[in-house]
Amino acid sequence: EPEVTQTPSHQVTQMGQEVILRCVPISNHLYFYWYRQILGQKVEFLVSFYNNEISEKSEIFDDQFSVERPDGSNFTLKIRSTKLEDSAMYFCASSESGRGAGSYNEQFFGPGTRLTVL
Amino acid sequence: SQKIEQNSEALNIQEGKTATLTCNYTNYSPAYLQWYRQDPGRGPVFLLLIRENEKEKRKERLKVTFDTTLKQSLFHITASQPADSATYLCTTDKLIFGTGTRLQVFP
Repeated sequence: EPEVTQTPSHQVTQMGQEVILRCVPISNHLYFYWYRQILGQKVEFLVSFYNNEISEKSEIFDDQFSVERPDGSNFTLKIRSTKLEDSAMYFCASSESGRGAGSYNEQFFGPGTRLTVL
Repeated sequence: SQKIEQNSEALNIQEGKTATLTCNYTNYSPAYLQWYRQDPGRGPVFLLLIRENEKEKRKERLKVTFDTTLKQSLFHITASQPADSATYLCTTDKLIFGTGTRLQVFP
């Protein structure tokens, strides 16, 4: 069964450093997402991406964050200057369709990348 | 602002019983709600989607209801098994997640 993959599984970085989290969505999916989950807290939406551009982003997704689809398979999240509070599990997800009322937006989540900022 | 509320207290039930989890939403009328399962340290796994014009949806031992008057969705697992133990998340079409309810099924 096709699945979303993410690398690395765990990333440790120093405060102020840049990190790039990588995801390979399911191949025939068109919509891609990043979420984060701080330990013990709820899953929080960061950004959605469709047709090579950001379709929606949350307040969390400020100027230190960026996303890119550098080729036909990878989808990346870059955090430019990490802060202690960026420590969290980051999940990538993909779906065939978008979030319109007539759509069926089942999202497939990856296993996550645990980011630890020291 | 839009809010999704789930009972943050863990639900402990005996194997074979029906587990019922609640999701309430405020300040918003979602076109649909989704339920996901999350195991510790893993990504959420999609279970069911129910649209606003659907009263009930079933999939094997799972049942979801959507009451737009009460602004509530109920998620039922019948004949629960220890393997059903996990955290169950409710989310809206706006990608707002609830905190999840942890279900523990005891043999």
